[in-house]
Formats: sequence, structure tokens, C-alpha cells
Amino acid sequence: GAGVSQSPRYKVAKRGQDVALRCDPISGHVSLFWYQQALGQGPEFLTYFQNEAQLDKSGLPSDRFFAERPEGSVSTLKIQRTQQEDSAVYLCASRGGLMNTEAFFGQGTRLTVV
Amino acid sequence: TQLLEQSPQFLSIQEGENLTVYCNSSSVFSSLQWYRQEPGEGPVLLVTVVTGGEVKKLKRLTFQFGDARKDSSLHITAAQPGDTGLYLCAAAKSGGSNYKLTFGKGTLLTVNP
Repeated sequence: GAGVSQSPRYKVAKRGQDVALRCDPISGHVSLFWYQQALGQGPEFLTYFQNEAQLDKSGLPSDRFFAERPEGSVSTLKIQRTQQEDSAVYLCASRGGLMNTEAFFGQGTRLTVV
Repeated sequence: TQLLEQSPQFLSIQEGENLTVYCNSSSVFSSLQWYRQEPGEGPVLLVTVVTGGEVKKLKRLTFQFGDARKDSSLHITAAQPGDTGLYLCAAAKSGGSNYKLTFGKGTLLTVNP
């Protein structure tokens, strides 16, 4: 597709379950970002990849959160032992250049932990 | 931690009215972006401002970047129901982490017909 694609769009997990969220960036885009957006808030940075290298994971809230982009294209955000406070929309964005170019966002995955 | 303060948080107006929303910070940014986000969608970029004092116009939207590159405003003239959405400002800090966008909490705008 032409845009950033995220799946699933919605995910309901029982507390303690592991989840995996997928992001298909725009083809050829070097930079990939994951953001977390809580209800009524702006997106908060989680992690950044440049090709397959995870250059910044400073925003990951705990060691239960793990992200990978093994071949420099598709990325997966994994959350282990989900907690209720993990409920949020998880947004993926990709950017063609390294900086100062437009970032394109996917529609997000809405995660609800019950 | 949100480094960008947006105001107002909520704004409900009638079609045809003008409005201004603000984005303020104590930090200096290399660039600042405005996004609009509709329910169930990701943010969509409206504009990027880079130079202090810069003014950009996009149809009925006017964006201004402060002289010191710490603040910005978005003015909408003759608002229409299609302008309804969450308006987010986002900025990249000067220096080593300038790839990272920091977002404000947003202004939720409702334009009533």
C-alpha cells in the first residue's frame, strides 16, 4: 500500500497476556518510530529505528516493552505481561530521510487490557 | 514528559468564527510541526516551520513560528465543520536528538454547523 499500515487495528488482551503489534512502513523509508497515545493526550515517543538499527529506545516504559525491525522494513512492538496501564493507541510512523522530512503515521492499534 | 504546552485544551465554536490555538515551550526547537488528527486515525502533517518569525499559510490556516523558535500559533479563519479534529504541535529539539518529535497534548477543536 501507499501508506503506513498497522495491524491489528484493535486488540483486547487479558492482563498478563503478551501482545505483538505490527507496522508496515512506507516502502524504502529509512526511519521508523513507535509512539504511545493515551486517551486525551498527545503521542509519546517510545522508540526509533534507522533501518534495522534501534538507535533510541529511551521512551519504552519498562522492560516488558520490546521492539524490533530485523530487516529494516516491517517492525513489531511486543508487550509482555500486559497491564491495564498499557491500554492506549500505539502509533507507528515512518520517514524517508533521516531528519527534517515529513513523518507519515499509520492509523494506530488500539490496545485495551482488561 | 510533555515539553510543549498547548492551549486551549478544548475549543468549541460555530461555523464561520475565527480561532487561534497556541503551542508554547521553554525549549528552543530546530523545527516545529502542526498535525491534525481525526478520531481513529493517525496524525496528518499540516505544516513544518523552521525559521524564527516564519509565517506560513495553508488556505484558511495561518501558522506562525516565534522569533526565538520556542512557540507557535495556528490561526483558522472562517472555521468549517470539516476543521473539527485534534490539533497537535510537535517539535524536534536542537542538537543530537533532532530526529525525535515531542508532541503537545493537543487542542480538540469542534466546529458546529
